[in-house]
Amino acid sequence: DTAVSQTPKYLVTQMGNDKSIKCEQNLGHDTMYWYKQDSKKFLKIMFSYNNKELIINETVPNRFSPKSPDKAHLNLHINSLELGDSAVYFCASKGQGYNSPLHFGNGTRLTVT
Amino acid sequence: AQSVTQLDSQVPVFEEAPVELRCNYSSSVSVYLFWYVQYPNQGLQLLLKYLSGSTLVKGINGFEAEFNKSQTSFHLRKPSVHISDTAEYFCAVSDLSYGGATNKLIFGTGTLLAVQP
Repeated sequence: DTAVSQTPKYLVTQMGNDKSIKCEQNLGHDTMYWYKQDSKKFLKIMFSYNNKELIINETVPNRFSPKSPDKAHLNLHINSLELGDSAVYFCASKGQGYNSPLHFGNGTRLTVT
Repeated sequence: AQSVTQLDSQVPVFEEAPVELRCNYSSSVSVYLFWYVQYPNQGLQLLLKYLSGSTLVKGINGFEAEFNKSQTSFHLRKPSVHISDTAEYFCAVSDLSYGGATNKLIFGTGTLLAVQP
């Protein structure tokens, strides 16, 4: 059973399009995240939700809009895609407590042409 | 604010040799430290974590790390590596500034461990 699953695994699209990435976790965690990994493998947090409430928004352009219909799902919608949005996007979830580790999905590789 | 520095972007090593991947952190408060591994085209998996207590932490796949508060380091070690250990390794520190149950991990830039036969 996949703990944190993301779809699609690969996404190739043209500039200006709108696309969504979906994430689901079956770990019963309250907190979910989106991280972006650039071409140099650098990981940067984008958003965090706790029980469907936005907690962290790290200076991400307004074109990125997360949505959490319930605490098991955190989707990422991106409007007007740009070349610089090409990256691997990772969803993660975390249990309660500061010391709980993050559990990551396998990533969505977004390529904007 | 917390930060993490991984000094080596790539570490080549021969199979069965020992390896150390370096990680230094910066924080003005108590920290929780983690090492994650990323195999090609996969997500990140937790290798080990330091929360409190013993400064020597053992993780999966024979890895261990030592927390050194005076040197603000959390280096990862393995006495004998295998080809299958080839992967990207990330050190991370918990940013506790948001409080409550939510916190974020701040990652280092990663170290590629390249094991050669």
